[in-house]
Amino acid sequence: EAGVVQSPRYKIIEKKQPVAFWCNPISGHNTLYWYRQNLGQGPELLIRYENEEAVDDSQLPKDRFSAERLKGVDSTLKIQPAELGDSAVYLCASSPRTSGSYEQYFGPGTRLTVT
Amino acid sequence: QQQVKQSPQSLIVQKGGISIINCAYENTAFDYFPWYQQFPGKGPALLIAIRPDVSEKKEGRFTISFNKSAKQFSLHIMDSQPGDSATYFCAASKNAGGTSYGKLTFGQGTILTVHP
Repeated sequence: EAGVVQSPRYKIIEKKQPVAFWCNPISGHNTLYWYRQNLGQGPELLIRYENEEAVDDSQLPKDRFSAERLKGVDSTLKIQPAELGDSAVYLCASSPRTSGSYEQYFGPGTRLTVT
Repeated sequence: QQQVKQSPQSLIVQKGGISIINCAYENTAFDYFPWYQQFPGKGPALLIAIRPDVSEKKEGRFTISFNKSAKQFSLHIMDSQPGDSATYFCAASKNAGGTSYGKLTFGQGTILTVHP
């Protein structure tokens, strides 16, 4: 079974530029999460989708961050404009919650460096 | 406050020894407690998880001990190997009620080094 796929793996941009990250969850997983992991810390949730619906975006900085999950499968996370403090690893995870499982499976992440 | 505190920050163990990492939580609504293993440049990988209706769960060399009254849980790695050298994160989530269910709250991480 293929795992969570994310691209790009690395991205270096100048501040004030836009950037987008893409995630393809495990097939059949209806729940998708975006987390941000700062260096030396645990991941922190940005947004959670149940199918196409964003059911928890309370920690998403909505002035510059946006996300979408069209057709309830792939998802895109965007930052515009990026700031120096956005440098982090952005992780996507998916979960088969409809089966009652609480397990979340993470992708390899996108390491963003803002200069 | 939904917070999970993890200790120690770093741990050095000799090959064959026992590695023990501890976590404490505050929110009594948490009902799922996983441990993740993360290698450099990789995403966190689910290692083992427990729910509060049991006090211990063992999978191979990995054991979770859970103390509901103390709001603490720990990971024990028996016969530690150099290949176990990684960062370990505990986490907790609540999976019923409200919009924040399913959100994993992570500890700060423990860097484990196993010397050969």
